[in-house]
Amino acid sequence: DIVMTQSPDSLAVSLGERATINCKSSQSLLYSSTNKNYLAWYQHKPGQPPKLLIYWASTREYGVPDRFSGSGSGADFTLTISSLQAEDVAVYFCQQYYSLPLTFGGGTKVEIK
Amino acid sequence: EVQLLESGGGLVQPGGSLRLSCVASGFTFSNYAMSWVRQAPGKRLEWVSAISTSTTSTSYADSIKGRFTISRDNSKNTLYLQINSLRDEDTAVYYCAKFAGYSWTRTSFDYWGQGTLVTVSS
Repeated sequence: DIVMTQSPDSLAVSLGERATINCKSSQSLLYSSTNKNYLAWYQHKPGQPPKLLIYWASTREYGVPDRFSGSGSGADFTLTISSLQAEDVAVYFCQQYYSLPLTFGGGTKVEIK
Repeated sequence: EVQLLESGGGLVQPGGSLRLSCVASGFTFSNYAMSWVRQAPGKRLEWVSAISTSTTSTSYADSIKGRFTISRDNSKNTLYLQINSLRDEDTAVYYCAKFAGYSWTRTSFDYWGQGTLVTVSS
């Protein structure tokens, strides 16, 4: 199974400041035939369903604000919130969909400092 | 608007059974692979099972293989998870999730339900 290691576990950032979340996989998520990384980022707010933010490691889902960006390749990935807004308080988690079983990072709780 | 609404959770004794349902709306249900994902208290999300569009293909996590059965009724836009021989460690919120494509192969989830809580306790 591919193990996803996310850091930090929690993060407190001032409004308008940058938040950076890291995700490492135990093996490369880059599929050579497509040159795509099979890594997604989701946002999960209490009482709401998880929401897809980023897929293929860096493609923003339709409707997701452009302050959210994904980067990285192979086994190291980053989710960046460029200017934290109050509505961004949530748990963020990464997921690999390179192979079954699908596996998830442990989650990062983002709060306002 | 895509909606996934789970139901069927509750308190059940060890060894008992439950059937979870997920009613889908806002998209052509029969065109997309579907999945169940769970999250036990204090634990990370765990993928449980997936099913193809036509129900001909299913896949399960090793931890639940043989006890859980995923199915779907495309005429009712409904996904199911039959859970048997429940154990304490099956206590979790169970989420229904839609794959972004007709196959689960190298496809992310694009929509999730809000989840239904299953509690296994005597």
